[in-house]
Amino acid sequence: QQPVQSPQAVILREGEDAVINCSSSKALYSVHWYRQKHGEAPVFLMILLKGGEQKGHEKISASFNEKKQQSSLYLTASQLSYSGTYFCGTEKLKADSWGKLQFGAGTQVVVTP
Amino acid sequence: DAGVIQSPRHEVTEMGQEVTLRCKPISGHDYLFWYRQTMMRGLELLIYFNNNVPIDDSGMPEDRFSAKMPNASFSTLKIQPSEPRDSAVYFCASSLVQAVGNTIYFGEGSWLTVV
Repeated sequence: QQPVQSPQAVILREGEDAVINCSSSKALYSVHWYRQKHGEAPVFLMILLKGGEQKGHEKISASFNEKKQQSSLYLTASQLSYSGTYFCGTEKLKADSWGKLQFGAGTQVVVTP
Repeated sequence: DAGVIQSPRHEVTEMGQEVTLRCKPISGHDYLFWYRQTMMRGLELLIYFNNNVPIDDSGMPEDRFSAKMPNASFSTLKIQPSEPRDSAVYFCASSLVQAVGNTIYFGEGSWLTVV
């Protein structure tokens, strides 16, 4: 039931771009993206809804392909502060799953100077 | 506004002891979640409540785990008896579900070590 994230880890130099993917085998209502720094709680980045538009947060943006039940997170011109573990959380398109968020295993991002 | 407040932040306990983790959700939020995070299993949803009523507890690992939400501003997660494999970070989170989707806000977590 958990969404599948890829890659597991990525190392970037400052200024480089990266893409993180999140896919589900179930029909989704929404996809959420969070970033977690070591020793801290996950912090909300953005939410993408079924039928919604691509979202952005600083130079981080995301898209949601409803046909493929897949979301992608785009890190553009990465900064040192982008380092952390990125999680996607998915909410299924089922009445009994309303509000229930299941998280992927996470993608560790390391941005080096 | 204050965020989700959890206590204790850190707990070290001996195997077999009872552990109680506490959570105060953000005022006005109608959903409350308990997650467990470990290196091996990532972020696991244990149980969640809607308007103080447990909706789905299928993620609770065994009968040793129980959760309650006696009112809109307080929830507990209890482990009795605790075992070393329960060592993890336990996050409480809350959200307000709206037509535009729900944003889940996490507390700082309770770091549990069972020795």
